[in-house]
Amino acid sequence: GAVVSQHPSRVICKSGTSVKIECRSLDFQATTMFWYRQFPKQSLMLMATSNEGSKATYEQGVEKDKFLINHASLTLSTLTVTSAHPEDSSFYICSARDFGVSSTNEKLFFGSGTQLSVL
Amino acid sequence: SQQGEEDPQALSIQEGENATMNCSYKTSINNLQWYRQNSGRGLVHLILIRSNEREKHSGRLRVTLDTSKKSSSLLITASRAADTASYFCGNTGGFKTIFGAGTRLFVKA
Repeated sequence: GAVVSQHPSRVICKSGTSVKIECRSLDFQATTMFWYRQFPKQSLMLMATSNEGSKATYEQGVEKDKFLINHASLTLSTLTVTSAHPEDSSFYICSARDFGVSSTNEKLFFGSGTQLSVL
Repeated sequence: SQQGEEDPQALSIQEGENATMNCSYKTSINNLQWYRQNSGRGLVHLILIRSNEREKHSGRLRVTLDTSKKSSSLLITASRAADTASYFCGNTGGFKTIFGAGTRLFVKA
């Protein structure tokens, strides 16, 4: 199946700094990627849909200036948490669908996630 | 809220027993998918059931779908300790996939 690589897996930063998380599709082209956020023992909340070559679409209540998304190529999307604060501490996960394979193009392939801790 | 509901929230069973998890969703669907998440990891796709299907099997997994009740269930038969994980249903009604609250399954050896 398709592989999505996410880095870093864990990051600890000071309050006020910015953190960039990368999400790469390794063996397929991902015109669209999805960014989710997950708090401990809770479900995944969709933050935004990242579109290659255009602006991301943010879900209601997600600050686009706080969570900057860039999808500059068909295999890479980045999420930057700007001026991070302790309340931004969470598990962030990216995913993508491989639209090149019709039999499985509805499945989501997930990165391994990034645990962000803001001190 | 994005989420549908899942029950139970947590389930603890003995190895060899069957585990049943239920999911309800809010909006219309194209398909409903079940995913598994090991602690601190990304999700792995398990099985997909389309809106015009009522039941589907894959190995030890059995999924049912009742669109009139907007609900689905996942049955894992003959559970193993390695099945210990969180299980989420995902509602793909359009382009996006919205996840339910999840069930944390613990299988005791």
